[in-house]
Amino acid sequence: DAGVIQSPRHEVTEMGQEVTLRCKPISGHNSLFWYRQTMMRGLELLIYFNNNVPIDDSGMPEDRFSAKMPNASFSTLKIQPSEPRDSAVYFCASSGGSFNEQFFGPGTRLTVL
Amino acid sequence: AQSVAQPEDQVNVAEGNPLTVKCTYSVSGNPYLFWYVQYPNRGLQFLLKYITGDNLVKGSYGFEAEFNKSQTSFHLKKPSALVSDSALYFCAVRDGEGYQKVTFGTGTKLQVIP
Repeated sequence: DAGVIQSPRHEVTEMGQEVTLRCKPISGHNSLFWYRQTMMRGLELLIYFNNNVPIDDSGMPEDRFSAKMPNASFSTLKIQPSEPRDSAVYFCASSGGSFNEQFFGPGTRLTVL
Repeated sequence: AQSVAQPEDQVNVAEGNPLTVKCTYSVSGNPYLFWYVQYPNRGLQFLLKYITGDNLVKGSYGFEAEFNKSQTSFHLKKPSALVSDSALYFCAVRDGEGYQKVTFGTGTKLQVIP
């Protein structure tokens, strides 16, 4: 298995632009998580999906952020409009089975100028 | 509410010496406990977990962790550190009841000195 796949790996954009991050979870996993990692705030859970349904989006910082999971093999995290404070590494993770360890993707490093 | 504390931002240890990275947790139900490692510019990698059973859990790369219910701790250990163990280590907890939200600690940077 290729593991969790994220694209793009790096994204540089200007303030005000729309950014879309993509994630393909491990096949057969029924849970998907989006995290944001920064030096200042550490690793933050943004949103969690179970069986393609958003269960907990309390970590989504504001309305500029939205996430979708249209099917079991694909999820997006969108920021519109982007701001410099959104600069971070965004990780997608998936899990399945009874004991729920998470498998992380390589991350997308987002820089908003 | 559940929480995890990693009291040390950084741990330095000489190569070949035993290492310990500390973690304490708080959870209302039975804890599911995890350790992850993050190398530079990489995602987190699962090391080991405690769900139930034997308090001493063995994981990848020679790491182990001991679950101590009375002290609500789950310290990560390795008998002999390698330079290649230098990385960022995260402890995480999940309540065994309810949904799957996992709370991660702030991370401990392990530096193994040659």
